[in-house]
Amino acid sequence: SQQGEEDPQALSIQEGENATMNCSYKTSINNLQWYRQNSGRGLVHLILIRSNEREKHSGRLRVTLDTSKKSSSLLITASRAADTASYFCATPLSGGYNKLIFGAGTRLAVHP
Amino acid sequence: ETGVTQSPTHLIKTRGQQVTLRCSSQSGHNTVSWYQQALGQGPQFIFQYYREEENGRGNFPPRFSGLQFPNYSSELNVNALELDDSALYLCASGGVNTEAFFGQGTRLTVV
Repeated sequence: SQQGEEDPQALSIQEGENATMNCSYKTSINNLQWYRQNSGRGLVHLILIRSNEREKHSGRLRVTLDTSKKSSSLLITASRAADTASYFCATPLSGGYNKLIFGAGTRLAVHP
Repeated sequence: ETGVTQSPTHLIKTRGQQVTLRCSSQSGHNTVSWYQQALGQGPQFIFQYYREEENGRGNFPPRFSGLQFPNYSSELNVNALELDDSALYLCASGGVNTEAFFGQGTRLTVV
């Protein structure tokens, strides 16, 4: 079974709106990462948040982490058509930053 | 651009054949991991190599094997291909305590 589970599975919004994706995981972690994937190609790293951090920002992205609830959220503000992609959260498998367990992802569609 | 390159980009093989996929890691990264992504699913961890030794494996059978070379390039070998091996194969390089950088993947189709 997968460690992370994203919610919702699919999200459709208009340009300019905000998009929020949630991720839940099962075991204790030392970090959680968010990735974007366009059209089934390579994954692009968005943000890494460590277990001692509660919130992190990068441009229009805001990630929160609640270790007590074993959950994280990714907020994309003022969305653009170019944000259309699949978004995945990933947690480390038994330590290490490059042994990752991914959820099934959220497919985001941003309409002009 | 992540600096991680994979070859080939697409490949078609027949069931029972063997395949080798290649990955060139970003300079300075000493770990390389391989992932399998079936259509509509998230990537699944196959294994990681660190300093040319396997350093962790996911739930994949021994017919999935790998190599890492001194220049941090890497290979994924799959023997006795099955139809269910059809997927996007991703490699990712990184440091021990840094985020992973992914290549664009190799799409393997087994017929």
